[in-house]
Amino acid sequence: GDSVTQMEGPVTLSEEAFLTINCTYTATGYPSLFWYVQYPGEGLQLLLKATKADDKGSNKGFEATYRKETTSFHLEKGSVQVSDSAVYFCALSSSSGNTPLVFGKGTRLSVIA
Amino acid sequence: GAGVSQSPSNKVTEKGKDVELRCDPISGHTALYWYRQSLGQGLEFLIYFQGNSAPDKSGLPSDRFSAERTGGSVSTLTIQRTQQEDSAVYLCASSPVLGRWGTDTQYFGPGTRLTVL
Repeated sequence: GDSVTQMEGPVTLSEEAFLTINCTYTATGYPSLFWYVQYPGEGLQLLLKATKADDKGSNKGFEATYRKETTSFHLEKGSVQVSDSAVYFCALSSSSGNTPLVFGKGTRLSVIA
Repeated sequence: GAGVSQSPSNKVTEKGKDVELRCDPISGHTALYWYRQSLGQGLEFLIYFQGNSAPDKSGLPSDRFSAERTGGSVSTLTIQRTQQEDSAVYLCASSPVLGRWGTDTQYFGPGTRLTVL
């Protein structure tokens, strides 16, 4: 079945450091790929998404590029802030549209001033 | 506009009791999903409703779990004879109609934290 593997945390970075959270997937066809974020005490929020190969999703300074050849969707940010401290989830949904999301285990990011 | 809402936000129950969790999706969204978030298992899919089609129940962990969606809107997840391993945060999400170009972004509610003593 479909699966998502993301790097295990926790990840601790200093403010203004560069962030990469790796995410790879296994799926048939052409899934849509997502990054969701869960800030402390809050619900899951969509951070960015990409629906086809080579698409780049971006939001709030975060970016991720859909790489079909490496089945990856790594999350990057050039300069993290303390307010980026959260748990980040990579997820996919199958190519047939509205389908349940398959999530990675989540990566906890802590940014220190 | 209003997002997905869930109630109650917290529920503490005794082992063996039944519980009902409610989800109000975003108005007009035809797809509704239930997930469970627990420390050991991460985020797991439970059940999915799409319009008037039969629900996809493939993620329900046991026959103690059931869900219904009345009038294509509000959904209730019921857990019968709760067990301690049912303790988790139960998340509801909805997504809009799959239009010509397709859209599959799911919008999540704040969740219900269930604690079974």
